[in-house]
Amino acid sequence: AQKITQTQPGMFVQEKEAVTLDCTYDTSDQSYGLFWYKQPSSGEMIFLIYQGSYDEQNATEGRYSLNFQKARKSANLVISASQLGDSAMYFCAMREGHNTDKLIFGTGTRLQVFP
Amino acid sequence: ETGVTQTPRHLVMGMTNKKSLKCEQHLGHNAMYWYKQSAKKPLELMFVYSLEERVENNSVPSRFSPECPNSSHLFLHLHTLQPEDSALYLCASSQRVGGDHEQYFGPGTRLTVT
Repeated sequence: AQKITQTQPGMFVQEKEAVTLDCTYDTSDQSYGLFWYKQPSSGEMIFLIYQGSYDEQNATEGRYSLNFQKARKSANLVISASQLGDSAMYFCAMREGHNTDKLIFGTGTRLQVFP
Repeated sequence: ETGVTQTPRHLVMGMTNKKSLKCEQHLGHNAMYWYKQSAKKPLELMFVYSLEERVENNSVPSRFSPECPNSSHLFLHLHTLQPEDSALYLCASSQRVGGDHEQYFGPGTRLTVT
């Protein structure tokens, strides 16, 4: 079974609108971390936001927020006020446990922002 | 500007060649990683180094040989590769292994094996 599922291979959003990118995860660990990365066409993976399993509040970083619903095992990324430069691949990833650095990545969602 | 650099950015090699990928991090981190990103597949962790010691090897074929001479540099030595090894190879670093530290990635090396 997939550990990280991103069901949206592609998404379109108009500039200045908000968009939600879906991510669900599967783990039996109590301690885990969830990450979102952005990968522009240039290739590098850019860290966006992190949510720990014990964090009670949803993480926010500027225009990025993570809608963490623990019971549903979902960690959706919300991008507010989309910009043309937001067009990229977006990857959700999970770290299981606390003393490991193994990140399990989803297959990604390609976001395209149009004027 | 990224704190993790990778060279070369693009590499084409034959199956009998030997080449090396280089990664350098300027962030003062203690952990470094190699990932493989193949088309339409999730990013796969290959190796993890913590303070120059390999701490994880995810069943990677021996034709990939990592080397970490110090905490700032990481190499991936390649020999007798197969066409299916063509992929984007990403290097990353973090403050240390484990915990809630995010990993910072380099721009990757696009490898094509002919």
